[in-house]
Amino acid sequence: EAGVAQSPRYKIIEKRQSVAFWCNPISGHATLYWYQQILGQGPKLLIQFQNNGVVDDSQLPKDRFSAERLKGVDSTLKIQPAKLEDSAVYLCASSLVLGGGYEQYFGPGTRLTVT
Amino acid sequence: AQSVSQHNHHVILSEAASLELGCNYSYGGTVNLFWYVQYPGQHLQLLLKYFSGDPLVKGIKGFEAEFIKSKFSFNLRKPSVQWSDTAEYFCAVMISTGGFKTIFGAGTRLFVKA
Repeated sequence: EAGVAQSPRYKIIEKRQSVAFWCNPISGHATLYWYQQILGQGPKLLIQFQNNGVVDDSQLPKDRFSAERLKGVDSTLKIQPAKLEDSAVYLCASSLVLGGGYEQYFGPGTRLTVT
Repeated sequence: AQSVSQHNHHVILSEAASLELGCNYSYGGTVNLFWYVQYPGQHLQLLLKYFSGDPLVKGIKGFEAEFIKSKFSFNLRKPSVQWSDTAEYFCAVMISTGGFKTIFGAGTRLFVKA
């Protein structure tokens, strides 16, 4: 079974530039999550999708972050414009469904450095 | 606000020592509890989980955790650690707030000396 794929693995940009991350979840998984993990902290949930609908985006800084999940499969997370404090690892995860104790499967993450 | 606390940020043990990593959460409703592990250079992966039933759950590689509802705790244990257990361990709590939200602790870095 193929795992969660993410690209790029690393990205360095200057502040005020824009950046996009891509995620392909495990086939058949209805729920997709984006997390932000700042160095020394645990993953922080940014947004979660059930199929192609947003379930929770309460912690997404909507003035600069956006995310979509077209056709309920792949997803992209965009930051525009980036700030220095956006430097972090961005993790994508998927699960079969939302809730019910189903585990989340994580991708390798994208390490973003904003200079 | 809901939160998850992991008491130890760094733990250093010798092989064969016993391990206990603390995890406490602040939420009074129904929870699903998880421990995830990240080995060096690898993805986060599930170690074990509690959904319902027996509060003592067993996971991979000899790990176990006990859910104590009255203490809002879900501590991770292993009776005898190995060098290969060197990793970062994250406690996570899934809460139901109309939907489901997962909150992670800050993680504990475990280093096992051979």
